[in-house]
Amino acid sequence: DAGVTQSPTHLIKTRGQQVTLRCSPKSGHDTVSWYQQALGQGPQFIFQYYEEEERQRGNFPDRFSGHQFPNYSSELNVNALLLGDSALYLCASSILRDRIDYGYTFGSGTRLTVV
Amino acid sequence: AQSVTQLDSQVPVFEEAPVELRCNYSSSVSVYLFWYVQYPNQGLQLLLKYLSGSTLVKGINGFEAEFNKSQTSFHLRKPSVHISDTAEYFCAVSASGYSTLTFGKGTMLLVSP
Repeated sequence: DAGVTQSPTHLIKTRGQQVTLRCSPKSGHDTVSWYQQALGQGPQFIFQYYEEEERQRGNFPDRFSGHQFPNYSSELNVNALLLGDSALYLCASSILRDRIDYGYTFGSGTRLTVV
Repeated sequence: AQSVTQLDSQVPVFEEAPVELRCNYSSSVSVYLFWYVQYPNQGLQLLLKYLSGSTLVKGINGFEAEFNKSQTSFHLRKPSVHISDTAEYFCAVSASGYSTLTFGKGTMLLVSP
């Protein structure tokens, strides 16, 4: 049973460029959340998608946007990259039922370096 | 809003010794509590979680944690650590009824022979 799959694993971009990160959730999971983990820090919540809509959003600028597809996979897009966007981006999938989350499964992340 | 404080950024310990990683949280509502482990160049793996019921929670790899509501703590313990337990450990909280996690900054557990 495949867990959460993220691609690519590593990425180097230039300041000002745009990037798209991809996530396939664990089989049977319907909710995808994205987290940013800067070096030496804990993950920070970016946003969560459920039923193809952004359900909750953390304190991130509009440069960060996302999408969820009918097969529950998701993309994270970041525009106008800044050096401070360099981080490990983690995708987590879960089952959301009656507003209770039954536990995340995290992917291994995409390491984004902005130069 | 919730917040999590992990009091130690690094905990060195010898193999087979006991260890406790400390976590305190703050929240104005009921919470769920979690401990995750992150090995180098990997994502997060759930060790254990407290949703309700018994305040002593047992997890994978011999870890356990105790929820103390009066002290707003959720410390992680293991009676005897192995070299393979060397990793970063994150405490996290979510408000009851919501599913976003707020993480602490992490504690690096360094186990030496």
